[in-house]
Amino acid sequence: QAQLVESGGGLVKPGGSLRLSCSSSGFTFSEYYMNWIRQAPGKGLEWISCISSTSRYIDYTDSVKGRFTISRDDAKNTLYLQMNGLRADDTAIYYCARDGQRYYDTKRFDVWGQGALVTVSS
Amino acid sequence: QSALTQPPSASGSPGQSVTISCSAASSDVGGNGYVSWYQQHPGKAPKLIIYEIKKRPSGVPDRFSGSKSGNTASLTVSGLQGEDEADYYCSSFTARNNRVVFGGGTKLTVL
Repeated sequence: QAQLVESGGGLVKPGGSLRLSCSSSGFTFSEYYMNWIRQAPGKGLEWISCISSTSRYIDYTDSVKGRFTISRDDAKNTLYLQMNGLRADDTAIYYCARDGQRYYDTKRFDVWGQGALVTVSS
Repeated sequence: QSALTQPPSASGSPGQSVTISCSAASSDVGGNGYVSWYQQHPGKAPKLIIYEIKKRPSGVPDRFSGSKSGNTASLTVSGLQGEDEADYYCSSFTARNNRVVFGGGTKLTVL
């Protein structure tokens, strides 16, 4: 059964950095586009980044461009999100999510992790 | 402000049907077949229940159905059950920049 598990969340001061990891199992990680989606407390979902199966295509939502970096290590079946210059409005649960079709970017997310809470506060 | 507008709340009694709408601000967002719906119970990750407007992933009950007319997509939950009480989010591909946008979410209450 396909599974994703995030780690690396925590409390960080404004301007600080954090790296999230998303470990996968139960499917061929290298064949899928992967995404990060976040949800601020009590708010809705916000897509923030995706990376293609080959890592050749990467995209970010405007609010994190230049501050966040998505990457993947297919040998370790792991997705990463390096977050620099964190702000209070980055406080959210961060989910990694698999695209629903091998090799394609369909922007439907069929497997989600349990989420990692990132709190940015002084 | 989200490019997809959902009613903040919806409700129905057990056994009834309820429909949740998702309206796109422009055909750029709603004018494609890549509309998905997600169910999220409190404290849990979202779950994909509808994709490409009306397709259901394996294991999703056929009580959940999707449709689209113009720039408005809809999710219908038939034969409401207590376990259907959750937040529901629509999403759509934005053709203009190849990104996905989510609606603001609808809290479904089973009375």
